[in-house]
Amino acid sequence: GAVVSQHPSWVICKSGTSVKIECRSLDFQATTMFWYRQFPKQSLMLMATSNEGSKATYEQGVEKDKFLINHASLTLSTLTVTSAHPEDSSFYICSARGGGLGDTQYFGPGTRLTVL
Amino acid sequence: AQSVTQLDSHVSVSEGTPVLLRCNYSSSYSPSLFWYVQHPNKGLQLLLKYTSAATLVKGINGFEAEFKKSETSFHLTKPSAHMSDAAEYFCVVSDTGGATNKLIFGTGTLLAVQP
Repeated sequence: GAVVSQHPSWVICKSGTSVKIECRSLDFQATTMFWYRQFPKQSLMLMATSNEGSKATYEQGVEKDKFLINHASLTLSTLTVTSAHPEDSSFYICSARGGGLGDTQYFGPGTRLTVL
Repeated sequence: AQSVTQLDSHVSVSEGTPVLLRCNYSSSYSPSLFWYVQHPNKGLQLLLKYTSAATLVKGINGFEAEFKKSETSFHLTKPSAHMSDAAEYFCVVSDTGGATNKLIFGTGTLLAVQP
């Protein structure tokens, strides 16, 4: 149980285009989902927290207009990187919490974004 | 505010020998502590968690960790390393004082297992 999926697993796009990443909780209802960014050989940096049906709460320094987060249902959250640039290239990981599973976050497999 | 410090950025052991990955935490509250493992280009997998029950926590794949309040430590151990244990390990504390219970990650320890 407590499986979280992400799609796509990797994506390459041109500079200036937008990319959408999906995060799904497959076997539980995620009241809260989190989006992290991980640079090579570094730890995870929390970007934002989203609760189902509410606006996401962004961490300091994260541009909300650039990283659009939607948590429209209890099993799906999306992260859209708008007008992507090479510096947005990174590993994006989502996690989900809820469904009576306590405060443990369950992580997706990550999405590797490369912006050319 | 909570924080977590992983004392070693790299640890190398031989297959079959014990593993010790060190973690110290700082918390104003009773912390929830976790160890996660990340294999290359993969997401994070929960190894074990401490939530104020037994101080010795057993996790998956033979790992365990002991919560020592007097030392503010939560070191991860395994009696005998396998090649498949080679990965990045993150010690994590939950910000239980905040409304969202955010996770605060250590900087990670890269475990190498030599044949």
